[in-house]
Amino acid sequence: KQEVTQIPAALSVPEGENLVLNCSFTDSAIYNLQWFRQDPGKGLTSLLLIQSSQREQTSGRLNASLDKSSGRSTLYIAASQPGDSATYLCAVSGGTLGRLYFGRGTQLTVWP
Amino acid sequence: SAVISQKPSRDICQRGTSLTIQCQVDSQVTMMFWYRQQPGQSLTLIATANQGSEATYESGFVIDKFPISRPNLTFSTLTVSNMSPEDSSIYLCSVAAGTAAGELFFGEGSRLTVL
Repeated sequence: KQEVTQIPAALSVPEGENLVLNCSFTDSAIYNLQWFRQDPGKGLTSLLLIQSSQREQTSGRLNASLDKSSGRSTLYIAASQPGDSATYLCAVSGGTLGRLYFGRGTQLTVWP
Repeated sequence: SAVISQKPSRDICQRGTSLTIQCQVDSQVTMMFWYRQQPGQSLTLIATANQGSEATYESGFVIDKFPISRPNLTFSTLTVSNMSPEDSSIYLCSVAAGTAAGELFFGEGSRLTVL
């Protein structure tokens, strides 16, 4: 069974720092990898999706990379802001539509 | 993307009762998915709601405990039956509606607390 691990579990940084959140998965036979953001008491917001044939995706200050062979993905956040404070979740798909395997998330706090 | 609305957003329930969660999507989708997020845990897929046929449940989840309805292509309900404190979780509805194949979008979630 696919297992997804996210490191660190929590991160607290001052505003303006560049951040790297890590995600690893045990089975490299993935269809895609998706990064989400979850605000307290809220649902999930899709940030980036990387297909298995891709190496990275970018959206604004966010850049996600994928190294399928080593089972790793990183989410890079440039010039962090207090509004980036949230829990960031990594999820991988093995190809069955709708079945995502999630990590427990990285809880990010950006203070002014 | 899709706009997904869930009701209720939160509720406090008594042990032994049942609660039905509704999920409404702003566009027609073939498949809808129900996830559970227990406190401090990662999200887990409960079942896939198929229009016109029975839901498909993941290992560890059964229809008697989590009956699902899917009357049309924009709506689904999940019932949590005979609740116990272990059912205290956030329940999330999800659909695949992105331009990228397999991209999932989620509703705001329904936070249930069982006393």
